[in-house]
Amino acid sequence: AQKITQTQPGMFVQEKEAVTLDCTYDTSDQSYGLFWYKQPSSGEMIFLIYQGSYDEQNATEGRYSLNFQKARKSANLVISASQLGDSAMYFCAMRVRYGNNDMRFGAGTRLTVKP
Amino acid sequence: GAGVSQSPSNKVTEKGKDVELRCDPISGHTALYWYRQSLGQGLEFLIYFQGNSAPDKSGLPSDRFSAERTGGSVSTLTIQRTQQEDSAVYLCASSLGASGYNEQFFGPGTRLTVL
Repeated sequence: AQKITQTQPGMFVQEKEAVTLDCTYDTSDQSYGLFWYKQPSSGEMIFLIYQGSYDEQNATEGRYSLNFQKARKSANLVISASQLGDSAMYFCAMRVRYGNNDMRFGAGTRLTVKP
Repeated sequence: GAGVSQSPSNKVTEKGKDVELRCDPISGHTALYWYRQSLGQGLEFLIYFQGNSAPDKSGLPSDRFSAERTGGSVSTLTIQRTQQEDSAVYLCASSLGASGYNEQFFGPGTRLTVL
């Protein structure tokens, strides 16, 4: 079964600095997708970035990039030039290509951006 | 275009009553998921529908929980004889397909409070 681990319950970062949110995963499948979602205090889940297991390059979306290290089974999210609006819960998730298609989520990391 | 919608946005009920939560996925999305998020926690997978296939009910916590999806579109999650521990935000998500490479789009959630 898949498992997602986020070891940082809370993180603080100074505005305009970069921050890395950790995510490790465990799966025996070779084909899978990794996702990061942001959940602000309003509650909606906002898709941020996706990395496929066969993608050779790290995914980037604006200020978000995914540091994908397949051998270590890690998929850390890097947020550059943090903004106050980045304060939120961040969830790492994984879904395998075949078999069970539910998305498994980590416990989340609460990011607080300080002015 | 319209996103995933859920109704009601808030539901307060008494212990022992039945509740129905509704989800309208994005048009054309064949996969639909229900999750539960308790206060300050991550997302717990409940059930997954893909097209006309039998749903994956492996995440339902008890036989008081059931869900159906009519016509491959709208889904209803039913909780019978509600208990206080059922209080949570219930999130619905849809995706274009069930592939691991399809991100999920989430609705705003239904906040259920069982008194």
